[in-house]
Amino acid sequence: GAVVSQHPSWVICKSGTSVKIECRSLDFQATTMFWYRQFPKQSLMLMATSNEGSKATYEQGVEKDKFLINHASLTLSTLTVTSAHPEDSSFYICSAKQRGPDTQYFGPGTRLTVL
Amino acid sequence: AQSVTQLDSQVPVFEEAPVELRCNYSSSVSVYLFWYVQYPNQGLQLLLKYLSGSTLVKGINGFEAEFNKSQTSFHLRKPSVHISDTAEYFCAVSERYSSASKIIFGSGTRLSIRP
Repeated sequence: GAVVSQHPSWVICKSGTSVKIECRSLDFQATTMFWYRQFPKQSLMLMATSNEGSKATYEQGVEKDKFLINHASLTLSTLTVTSAHPEDSSFYICSAKQRGPDTQYFGPGTRLTVL
Repeated sequence: AQSVTQLDSQVPVFEEAPVELRCNYSSSVSVYLFWYVQYPNQGLQLLLKYLSGSTLVKGINGFEAEFNKSQTSFHLRKPSVHISDTAEYFCAVSERYSSASKIIFGSGTRLSIRP
């Protein structure tokens, strides 16, 4: 149980285009989903927290107009990287949690490469 | 605010030897504690967690950790490691009574197993 999927697992795009990444909780309802960014050989940096049906809460320094997050249902959250640039290339990981004591379940990640 | 310090960025160990990965945290409030493992190009997998109760927590793959409140530590141990344990290990903390449910990660410890 508690499986989280991400799609796509990897994506290559041209500079200036937008890319959408999906995060789904497959066998549970996720009241909260989180989006992280991870640079090579570094830890995870929390980008934003999203609750179903409400606006995402972004961490300091994260551009909300650049990284659009939508949490339309209890099983789906999307991250759209708008007007991507090479510096946006990274490993993006989502996680999801149910109501109750904190256990976040992580997706397998999406590797974004912007040319 | 919480913070997590993983004292060792890399730990090389011979196969079948014991290992301890150190983690110290800082928080002014009560916390939950976690250890996650990340294999190359994958998301995070929960190894174990401390929510309450017994301070010795057993997780998957033969790992265990002990919560020490006086020393604010949550060190991860395994009595005999295998090649398959080669991965990045992250210690993490979240605030116990926070509705935000954010997890703060340590910088990670790379465990490399030598045959």
